[in-house]
Amino acid sequence: GIQVEQSPPDLILQEGANSTLRCNFSDSVNNLQWFHQNPWGQLINLFYIPSGTKQNGRLSATTVATERYSLLYISSSQTTDSGVYFCAVLLYYGGSQGNLIFGKGTKLSVKP
Amino acid sequence: DSGVTQTPKHLITATGQRVTLRCSPRSGDLSVYWYQQSLDQGLQFLIQYYNGEERAKGNILERFSAQQFPDLHSELNLSSLELGDSALYFCASSLGGESPLHFGNGTRLTVT
Repeated sequence: GIQVEQSPPDLILQEGANSTLRCNFSDSVNNLQWFHQNPWGQLINLFYIPSGTKQNGRLSATTVATERYSLLYISSSQTTDSGVYFCAVLLYYGGSQGNLIFGKGTKLSVKP
Repeated sequence: DSGVTQTPKHLITATGQRVTLRCSPRSGDLSVYWYQQSLDQGLQFLIQYYNGEERAKGNILERFSAQQFPDLHSELNLSSLELGDSALYFCASSLGGESPLHFGNGTRLTVT
């Protein structure tokens, strides 16, 4: 099956620093999403980005589908950015059948 | 707020018992997905329903079952519970096809 690999597995930043998280996937996909799981366990939708670049405030994401990777950029990090960032790709089989395959995540800790 | 509602938020029960987790999808979404997040297994896809019919099955145990009702809400039934079933259970919904998934806040199940 499709493999989703995220790097780095852990990241510690000082508040105000920038970071780049990477997601590699082993096969062509129809949909890619980035999520932030906060310390309370909630999974927050960050981006739906099957290709191209999107920006939302201090966060931006780029997916290069032909090269099978996606990047999540966090600028001017804040302590509230702490948590685990997941990349997930959709396996769509047609006939409304599909599911998201998650990577193992990048655990981000932002220190004040 | 994703618009996906899961109840209860927390559930503590004993081994051997049976519990039911409930999910109300976002308004207009026809597809419902269930995921399990445990410490050692990450986010695992369990099962998908679309407009009342089962569409895709993942790593769902035989002790677990689910259904989607005519009003599109879904229930995940877990029976003969074991300590290893302790996990965070997420429900997600989407329009179907390749549309993005939106996750609820999860139900944290503790089996003692």
